[in-house]
Amino acid sequence: NAGVTQTPKFQVLKTGQSMTLQCAQDMNHNSMYWYRQDPGMGLRLIYYSASEGTTDKGEVPNGYNVSRLNKREFSLRLESAAPSQTSVYFCASTLRTGVVNTIYFGEGSWLTVV
Amino acid sequence: AQSVTQLGSHVSVSEGALVLLRCNYSSSVPPYLFWYVQYPNQGLQLLLKYTSAATLVKGINGFEAEFKKSETSFHLTKPSAHMSDAAEYFCAVSDSSGTYKYIFGTGTRLKVLA
Repeated sequence: NAGVTQTPKFQVLKTGQSMTLQCAQDMNHNSMYWYRQDPGMGLRLIYYSASEGTTDKGEVPNGYNVSRLNKREFSLRLESAAPSQTSVYFCASTLRTGVVNTIYFGEGSWLTVV
Repeated sequence: AQSVTQLGSHVSVSEGALVLLRCNYSSSVPPYLFWYVQYPNQGLQLLLKYTSAATLVKGINGFEAEFKKSETSFHLTKPSAHMSDAAEYFCAVSDSSGTYKYIFGTGTRLKVLA
């Protein structure tokens, strides 16, 4: 029962390097999300994909790009990492059937930019 | 725009005492409201959700929350705290207008004293 799977779990980057965080869900969910979590700031929405083929900006999209590769997968790319992007990143998904749906989270990816 | 405000970034209670974590929301359309819990180094797990079916919502681990439209509140309570309740708690709002965004509060870290 995998649910939402994120890779990698830990990553250290140098300023200016690029990387992609991968996320996959096996629950046949329609909507997928990327959040970042920082101390005292809670979870902030970076990007979301309401359905396959669509993506939209959240609260803090600058410095990130996303790809909804197919219904299962939603990746987050940092093109030129900055120390301000040091954070814990969570991928999440929900079914979206027209009524309120629970959003399910992955275990998180700890990213440090030095 | 939707938002949630969690009053108190840290709350301490004695084991066996009442737990009260506060959440106020802002939404121009009928909201869907959630409480999530996060244990150290883990993702977020759903405690309970308000779907407009009943104003008093019961969740897992003995937690419950009451939706009060007049006060725009959705406070989380538990009659008797256990040591295992020590965690960070997040209130979240999603709307019924179809944007499928979930906005989280800044979190409240609950400490349970022996």
